[in-house]
Amino acid sequence: SSELTQDPDVSVALGQTVRITCQGDGLRYYYANWYQQRPGQAPVLLIYGRTNRPSGIPDRFSGSGSRNTASLTITGAQAEDEADYYCSSRDSSGNPYLFGTGTKVTVL
Amino acid sequence: QVHLVQSGAELKKPGASVKLSCKASGYSFIDYHIHWVRQAPGQGPEWMGWINPNTGDTHHAQKFQDRVAITRDTPINTTYLDLASLKSDDTAVYFCARVGLPDALDVWGQGTVVTVSS
Repeated sequence: SSELTQDPDVSVALGQTVRITCQGDGLRYYYANWYQQRPGQAPVLLIYGRTNRPSGIPDRFSGSGSRNTASLTITGAQAEDEADYYCSSRDSSGNPYLFGTGTKVTVL
Repeated sequence: QVHLVQSGAELKKPGASVKLSCKASGYSFIDYHIHWVRQAPGQGPEWMGWINPNTGDTHHAQKFQDRVAITRDTPINTTYLDLASLKSDDTAVYFCARVGLPDALDVWGQGTVVTVSS
C-alpha cells in the first residue's frame, strides 16, 4: 500500500502526554517526518529522519518508530499545540513524497 | 533569514492554466531542491513535484504527469509551477517548500490560493 494512515482525531488534557501514530508499508524502508499545521498557515517541520528536531522546535516534541509505524509524542501538551499533524515519508510506489491522512489534536 | 514568498491568489475558469511563482531569499538558491505541495479545502497536503534549481531537473507525481511543469529562473531565485487544464478539484492552496534537511521540507512559502470556478 502507498498510504500513510493516521488516527483522525486525538485529544489531550493540558500538560499531559499524547502520542500520534502513522502506519504505512513505506515506513519499513524510509524515515518519517512530522509537520504541524495550524488553521490558515503553512505546515511547520517538527521532526525529520524519524527522531530529529530542527532548531527552534521545543523538546516536548519527539519522534520514534519501528517496522511500519512512526510516532510523534507531545510531552506536556500546551494550548498552542492544538493543530493538525501530518506524517510524511517516501512512497514505495515511486513518488518521493507522501503525506499521511492527518491527525487533529485537541488540547482540553 | 530564509524566506519563500509566493505570488498572489488566482481565480481561473475550468480548462485554463495557471502559473504560480515562489521567490527564495536568504540562502543559496541553487543548493536546495524546491518542492510544490497543494492542499484542497479540508484535506491534507498532496505532493506535486520538485525541481533541482541547479540543474533544472524535475520530478512530478504521476497523478499530474501530463498537466504540470516546474521551472526556475536562477538569476532571480524564483521557481514556477504551471498547471494546465484546470478542473474544479484543482481548487486548493499551493505551497512551495525547500528541502533543507534530509528529505524534509524545512521552509515553506505562505501559500497561494487557486480557485477554479466557472
